[in-house]
Amino acid sequence: KAGVTQTPRYLIKTRGQQVTLSCSPISGHRSVSWYQQTPGQGLQFLFEYFSETQRNKGNFPGRFSGRQFSNSRSEMNVSTLELGDSALYLCASSPLTGDTQYFGPGTRLTVL
Amino acid sequence: QQQVKQSPQSLIVQKGGISIINCAYENTAFDYFPWYQQFPGKGPALLIAIRPDVSEKKEGRFTISFNKSAKQFSLHIMDSQPGDSATYFCAASGANTGNQFYFGTGTSLTVIP
Repeated sequence: KAGVTQTPRYLIKTRGQQVTLSCSPISGHRSVSWYQQTPGQGLQFLFEYFSETQRNKGNFPGRFSGRQFSNSRSEMNVSTLELGDSALYLCASSPLTGDTQYFGPGTRLTVL
Repeated sequence: QQQVKQSPQSLIVQKGGISIINCAYENTAFDYFPWYQQFPGKGPALLIAIRPDVSEKKEGRFTISFNKSAKQFSLHIMDSQPGDSATYFCAASGANTGNQFYFGTGTSLTVIP
């Protein structure tokens, strides 16, 4: 099976802009989680989607949002970008919520 | 509040030595404890995982030791190799905590030839 794919792999934006990241889970996986990874904070949980419904949400401001489509693909959106949003954004999929998570390669977002 | 505390932050080991990374958790509702390995430019990859019904699990050179009463678990890498140089993350989740995964802050392992 193909692994988790994330697009784009790299992104450069300026403060105040908006960005949308995409994640395609492993075929058959219905749960998709998003994480923000920074050198100082490790992996911080953003949210999890299962069957198009948000199941869990981490402690991030409302500028961070996401959605999941009927084919389990997911997108996350960050509006009004700030310098501190520069990070590696990781998507992980699992067959069901709570199952082992399989990570994609991430999208490296740089905010200038 | 850090649900899972990981130490050390960095570790340097000679080739052939044993690498030991420790994690501690507070929430007794956690019932699944995976370890992930991450190389630069890659996403984390599952290495090995354990559930609290066993105290140890071994896969090749990698062993998880689990101490339920102390709420601690550790990763042991036997015969460490330069190719093991990576960042390692422990994690925990539980059905009674919404199945959300909580990650440690990571350990950067360097194995010197």
